[in-house]
Amino acid sequence: AQSVSQHNHHVILSEAASLELGCNYSYGGTVNLFWYVQYPGQHLQLLLKYFSGDPLVKGIKGFEAEFIKSKFSFNLRKPSVQWSDTAEYFCAADRGSTLGRLYFGRGTQLTVWP
Amino acid sequence: DGGITQSPKYLFRKEGQNVTLSCEQNLNHDAMYWYRQDPGQGLRLIYYSQIVNDFQKGDIAEGYSVSREKKESFPLTVTSAQKNPTAFYLCASSIPFTSRGYTFGSGTRLTVV
Repeated sequence: AQSVSQHNHHVILSEAASLELGCNYSYGGTVNLFWYVQYPGQHLQLLLKYFSGDPLVKGIKGFEAEFIKSKFSFNLRKPSVQWSDTAEYFCAADRGSTLGRLYFGRGTQLTVWP
Repeated sequence: DGGITQSPKYLFRKEGQNVTLSCEQNLNHDAMYWYRQDPGQGLRLIYYSQIVNDFQKGDIAEGYSVSREKKESFPLTVTSAQKNPTAFYLCASSIPFTSRGYTFGSGTRLTVV
């Protein structure tokens, strides 16, 4: 069965620290990859997505992610976090060539201390 | 502006009652989805529909039902058979097999007392 794994359930950082959140998916073939963010009390927002082309994807708010096919990974990074980045982050994947179902990881809660 | 509207934002129901959550989109998307979000479990797919008058079960369909009579609408009924219905429910839509991604609604928080 397809699955998406996020390694960190809760990450706590100080402002200006660098961030990397791990994400792995379990199936081969064509895959589309996404990172979503959910700020407290708000709805899900798309941070960035990878469909094809350059494996280094830049998103909103200074976030980026790198698709490494050999490792089945799509880790999210930000060089310097801010207090306003406190939120829950979800990695997701779908099979671009088939049903368009989106599978989510369990989420990583990021807390940034000022 | 186009988007997805979920209503109501908060819903309270007594145990044993069926309840229907509304999801409407004006994006002209063919596919629509219902997800359930619980703390620490991410989003799990309940039902999805790729086209009008057709839908498929997701990973946790038991105790739920849907209909897709119109392209714009994909209501979700939480039946009394759902053993733990209190959760946050998210609706989404997309154009399948394209790179446009998914659009999510703002969600409905259902509390069963």
